[in-house]
Amino acid sequence: GENVEQHPSTLSVQEGDSAVIKCTYSDSASNYFPWYKQELGKGPQLIIDIRSNVGEKKDQRIAVTLNKTAKHFSLHITETQPEDSAVYFCAASRGDMRFGAGTRLTVKP
Amino acid sequence: DSGVTQTPKHLITATGQRVTLRCSPRSGDLSVYWYQQSLDQGLQFLIQYYNGEERAKGNILERFSAQQFPDLHSELNLSSLELGDSALYFCASSVSPIPGPWAGELFFGEGSRLTVL
Repeated sequence: GENVEQHPSTLSVQEGDSAVIKCTYSDSASNYFPWYKQELGKGPQLIIDIRSNVGEKKDQRIAVTLNKTAKHFSLHITETQPEDSAVYFCAASRGDMRFGAGTRLTVKP
Repeated sequence: DSGVTQTPKHLITATGQRVTLRCSPRSGDLSVYWYQQSLDQGLQFLIQYYNGEERAKGNILERFSAQQFPDLHSELNLSSLELGDSALYFCASSVSPIPGPWAGELFFGEGSRLTVL
């Protein structure tokens, strides 16, 4: 089955800096790569996703890049704000959704 | 609010006991997924149902079982509970049987926190 690895497990940045979270996947047939944000006491919520036929997607301060050859995809958050502090999960799917272990992002004011 | 409802929100029980967690998917969603989130761990996929039928199985223990009813709500049954079963259990729903480019996102409930003492 699919195996998704996510790094780093924790990330601390200063407000206004950029944050990058990286994931790798094992199943070359995976074709859908969403990113979820989980705030304290809440369920994960989709923030951005990318399909396998697209290399990059951007939504305001958030962007995701996909390298299918290397089986890597990354989340980029620019101009971070304290409300970006949360746990972020990457996932890969070709049928059932498999998640990475999560990255706890802390944005310091 | 995602539209996915999970009950109970918190549950404390003893080892050896059996519990049932309940999930009501978003209106119109036919697919229900169950995930386990242990401390400092990611979301472990347990099982998926689509329109009443089991569709995919992940790392679900034999002590655990699930079902989806005709009204599309789902229940996750955990039996012979052990200390290590303490975790947050999430239910998610989607309209399609396959999350992917054509199916859109999974919508998660707020989880049921199980504590086994």
